[in-house]
Order: sequence, then structure tokens, then C-alpha cells
Amino acid sequence: DAGITQSPRHKVTETGTPVTLRCHQTENHRYMYWYRQDPGHGLRLIHYSYGVKDTDKGEVSDGYSVSRSKTEDFLLTLESATSSQTSVYFCAISGDSEQFFGPGTRLTVL
Amino acid sequence: AQSVTQLGSHVSVSEGALVLLRCNYSSSVPPYLFWYVQYPNQGLQLLLKYTTGATLVKGINGFEAEFKKSETSFHLTKPSAHMSDAAEYFCAVRGNRGSTLGRLYFGRGTQLTVWP
Repeated sequence: DAGITQSPRHKVTETGTPVTLRCHQTENHRYMYWYRQDPGHGLRLIHYSYGVKDTDKGEVSDGYSVSRSKTEDFLLTLESATSSQTSVYFCAISGDSEQFFGPGTRLTVL
Repeated sequence: AQSVTQLGSHVSVSEGALVLLRCNYSSSVPPYLFWYVQYPNQGLQLLLKYTTGATLVKGINGFEAEFKKSETSFHLTKPSAHMSDAAEYFCAVRGNRGSTLGRLYFGRGTQLTVWP
């Protein structure tokens, strides 16, 4: 299995608070991705990174920001969490063609 | 633009029966196609992929899929379902140009239930 970890694995927070999720890889892959998974929607891309300090928006980027200061770490920040951001968040890294996924973070915003 | 449609959000089969999960894609150039499986409370695991070459691809756990360009399809099959196959299955197509290069576009998923 690709070496991808996510932290925390579960988090409950309140509306309006900032939240940061971390993705860490040990594979030295250039590309990293953040998705959210919601029932009936499959996986939707939030942001992705194609190198250190190089990031771009996905299809559902509003309310989210990302940072990548090292190859191995990709952070997703919710500046002011809303209930609509309650979801399961997955990080992925890209190999030659496919993507490998982390175990996910379940975020609940009350 | 790339997109994927999975026909049927829920599929139920009896143990030992044929599994058929349908996926149709939209892509302007020859696509890279993927099937992923997700077990409860886990991340996504790659089942199989088509990039180039043989159009019938075999994956893990006895699954296979056939790329049919004329039908823009990449349906997933397994001859005999097992209880352990119960999971959610996602079809995906890879972006192939410009800012979409390398990105995956997922279908909405098909939940497979296997009855004893």
C-alpha cells in the first residue's frame, strides 16, 4: 500500500471555527489531491498540488484553502467551518497513472 | 470535458451470481479508466485500470472490465459474487489535457449488496 496517512481521522467542531486537516505521504510523489465524499455525489476534487508551493483549485474549492511547504505534506484548511462542510475528506497521491488514497478524515461541523 | 456516468446507484445480487456494474465515460481522446472499491469506513482501493493495449483488463479479487470505445463504456464484471464483494464501487476517468491532466473524474458510485 502507498504510504499515505491523514490526521486527524475524526473531528467534531463548531460552526465558525478554523479546521486544518493534514495529509502525509512517504512516496515522494509530486501530485497530491484533496477530495470530499458525500452520499450521492461520489468524490469531488477540492484542491490539488503539483509540487511544493504549487496548488490549484478543483471543482468545489469555495471555503477551502491548501498549503504545501514540503513534498510530503499537504494541508487542507477550512477557515471558518460551516455545516455544509460536514463530510469525509480523502487525500490522494498520484503514481504513474492511478491515484492512491488515504484512509480519510470524518469531519462533523455542528 | 471528462465525465463518468454509473448506471444504477444500487445493485443487488445473490452469492454466486454474475456481478455487472455499468460505467459510461465521456472523453475527447483515448481515456485512462479506473475502477475503485471502497469498503465501509475505508479509503478507496484500486481494482483495475485501463491505459493502453488490451481492452479486457483483469483486476484484483476476480474482477475484470472491458474498454469498449464504440460504446464509450467500461463495465465491471465478476462471474460469481462473494459476500466479501459487498462494497461501493467507483468508476473514474483521468483528465487528459491542460489543467485537467492527471485529475480523476469520478462517477457517483454503485453500492453492491450480495445476498446469501
